[in-house]
Amino acid sequence: AQTVTQSQPEMSVQEAETVTLSCTYDTSENNYYLFWYKQPPSRQMILVIRQEAYKQQNATENRFSVNFQKAAKSFSLKISDSQLGDTAMYFCAFRTGTYKYIFGTGTRLKVLA
Amino acid sequence: NAGVTQTPKFQVLKTGQSMTLQCAQDMNHNSMYWYRQDPGMGLRLIYYSASEGTTDKGEVPNGYNVSRLNKREFSLRLESAAPSQTSVYFCASSEARTGAHDGYTFGSGTRLTVV
Repeated sequence: AQTVTQSQPEMSVQEAETVTLSCTYDTSENNYYLFWYKQPPSRQMILVIRQEAYKQQNATENRFSVNFQKAAKSFSLKISDSQLGDTAMYFCAFRTGTYKYIFGTGTRLKVLA
Repeated sequence: NAGVTQTPKFQVLKTGQSMTLQCAQDMNHNSMYWYRQDPGMGLRLIYYSASEGTTDKGEVPNGYNVSRLNKREFSLRLESAAPSQTSVYFCASSEARTGAHDGYTFGSGTRLTVV
């Protein structure tokens, strides 16, 4: 069975510092896609960053970057220069060639002023 | 603004009542999904529609039915609501063609409470 595990239920970081959120997954597939979604208190789910498994280069989007370790099945999210607006629940998600995504249980991140 | 529109945003039901959650997208996406979000459990797939005219069960379909009315609309129906269905429900859509790697576009969610 394909699973996504986020082992950190809650984290906090000081404003302007860097924080890394962990995600591991389990699959026998070779081609797949990985995503990080942000859910702020407004409840709206927002796509933060995506990574194709066949690409060795780690994806980056402004202050957000990933550390993708395919052999270890690890997909962590690094947030640099954390801002108060980054306070949210973050979900790691996995998708293969099928239509369905599998989500982790989420990490609640609080950025402290 | 383009996106996924869900109605209602909040609903309280009594046990045994029925209701339909509506979802519409204007991005011409082929695939649409219904998820529920519960504390400590992430998002779990209830039903999905890979394309107009098709629907399939997800991880937690019991107690729900869906209708893909047309390409834009995908509704979720609770025939006889139970307290275990208290949750936040999200509709999402994606292009989802084979090989496409777009993420989902989510609606803003419906908070449903069954008393």
